[in-house]
Amino acid sequence: GAVVSQHPSWVICKSGTSVKIECRSLDFQATTMFWYRQFPKQSLMLMATSNEGSKATYEQGVEKDKFLINHASLTLSTLTVTSAHPEDSSFYICSARESSGGKNIQYFGAGTRLSVL
Amino acid sequence: GENVEQHPSTLSVQEGDSAVIKCTYSDSASNYFPWYKQELGKRPQLIIDIRSNVGEKKDQRIAVTLNKTAKHFSLHITETQPEDSAVYFCAANPGTASKLTFGTGTRLQVTL
Repeated sequence: GAVVSQHPSWVICKSGTSVKIECRSLDFQATTMFWYRQFPKQSLMLMATSNEGSKATYEQGVEKDKFLINHASLTLSTLTVTSAHPEDSSFYICSARESSGGKNIQYFGAGTRLSVL
Repeated sequence: GENVEQHPSTLSVQEGDSAVIKCTYSDSASNYFPWYKQELGKRPQLIIDIRSNVGEKKDQRIAVTLNKTAKHFSLHITETQPEDSAVYFCAANPGTASKLTFGTGTRLQVTL
């Protein structure tokens, strides 16, 4: 299957700082990427859909000014958690959608564990 | 929007037995149903998927069935092995959007 790289895998930061997470599709182009948040022993909650060259589409209840998404190329989307607070501590995971040849498959990154002190 | 329910939340089977996980969806426009396996601390990985124009699909020990009328689909794992132990998520993709709505997950434990 296709490969999606996510960095960093783990980040610890002080309250009030901003953290950037990168999601790259390594061997295919992804016009659409997705950002999820996963709490321990829970499901994947979609935060936003990242569209290459246009604004992201945020799910209800997700603050777009808090979670900034940029999808500047066909292989890279970034999520910036601005002014992070302890309640933002979570596991963030991205996916990239491969749509070539009629496919509609999401491949996931390995996730980023964010701990805000 | 789409709502996906998944049962059971936990499932324990003995090695060699079969395991069945069931999901229901609400949006009749959904046309793509993937299943993901997530091992502890790892990324979800696609294990099988089915489209709405097919009723059943099989890949070795794994099979998925879809009943569009009843709006439910199921994952069947036969001859389970310890390495099948993981959390399994079903998902549905409404035809009008590319995003997936995930079920709540099933923690499968295969015991020796």
